[in-house]
Parts: sequence; structure tokens; C-alpha cells
Amino acid sequence: SQTIHQWPATLVQPVGSPLSLECTVEGTSNPNLYWYRQAAGRGLQLLFYSVGIGQISSEVPQNLSASRPQDRQFILSSKKLLLSDSGFYLCAWTWGSGYTDTQYFGPGTRLTVL
Amino acid sequence: EDQVTQSPEALRLQEGESSSLNCSYTVSGLRGLFWYRQDPGKGPEFLFTLYSAGEEKEKERLKATLTKKESFLHITAPKPEDSATYLCAVLRFSQGAQKLVFGQGTRLTINP
Repeated sequence: SQTIHQWPATLVQPVGSPLSLECTVEGTSNPNLYWYRQAAGRGLQLLFYSVGIGQISSEVPQNLSASRPQDRQFILSSKKLLLSDSGFYLCAWTWGSGYTDTQYFGPGTRLTVL
Repeated sequence: EDQVTQSPEALRLQEGESSSLNCSYTVSGLRGLFWYRQDPGKGPEFLFTLYSAGEEKEKERLKATLTKKESFLHITAPKPEDSATYLCAVLRFSQGAQKLVFGQGTRLTINP
């Protein structure tokens, strides 16, 4: 069966510090991968998605970047965090084939920027 | 632009008191509508996918229905363990990838 992992589970960082969040998927190959952010009291906002190694698409301009160094690994980064980067970050995956496959979410990372 | 609006924002029910949550959407050519359940501090858990108007799906005390403009999540005789935030999302495609546009969610509380 497929499993998605995210770490760390929680993170408190000062403004201006760098960020690296990791997401890995087990039990599948060539997944489509997604990063979402959920701000307090708001819905999920799609940040980045990837259909393959090294292929990253950004949905909104922002202070963050994403990379996919391996087939089942997706990384969210920032060089300098802003207060507005605080939120709950979720990674999700679907199978690469088929356009109506369900997105399955990871457990999330709670990021607080102080 | 695709939009998803959920109502109410919050709903408090007594155990056994049935109700419905609403998800209204505007999308050019619906390809799918998803319902998820999210517990505090956790990732969303998939519940249902609906693809066409008139479709219905059930799981335990939950039933999801779909019309051309909205979807309902009916909760029959809920229990305290049904307390969670329920999210709906519409499916669209862009640049070879499936993308979900989410509503704000309905926070459901079931009192014993």
C-alpha cells in the first residue's frame, strides 16, 4: 500500500531563517506530487505541483520554492522566511496516469514563523 | 475562475441530529468533486468523489450528492466521532496535472 510521509511535524523558525520541508511517498512510482498551504481558518491553497523529477510548476508567486530531486521526494524551501509563511503545509500525491485519481494527503507540517 | 463556497462555516449538532453541509461551485466543465474530512492538526482524509449531476455515494452515516451547481454532504444520526472539518474541492486540469480548488470547509461539532 502507499504511504506518504512529511517531516518535520512541527517547526518554529525566526523571520529571515531558511526552510526545508520534506515529503516522501512509498509504494508507488512516478506519482504527481503537490504542496499546499492551509492558513488558519482558510482553505487549502495549492503552492506547487510536480509531474516528474525536476519538473516543478508554481501556482502563486511567493517566497517559497520547490524541488523534486527523486521520483518520490518533494521538497519545499525558502531562503528567508516571512511572518506570512506561517501555516500548515500539506503534501499530496496522485498516480501519474489518469485524470480523475484521488489526491491523498500527508500528515502535514505546522510551521510557525516568529 | 473556479470557485468553491461551503456553508455553513460551522455547525453544532446534538448526537443523532441529522443535517446537511453545502458546497456550491462555479467551474467551467466539472470533472469531479471531492469531499474530504480533516481532523485538527492532521491531513485531509478522502471520503468521496462525484463526477456527474445526480450521482450519490454513501459511507456509513455520510451521503454525498451532486447537482449541476452544488453538492451536499448529508449526515444521518451523527455521533461525536463525526466531529471534524469537512472540505469539498472541484477538480480541474492544467499543464498535465490534476488540480483541486478547495472551499473553506465546514467545521462540524457533534455534542454527546
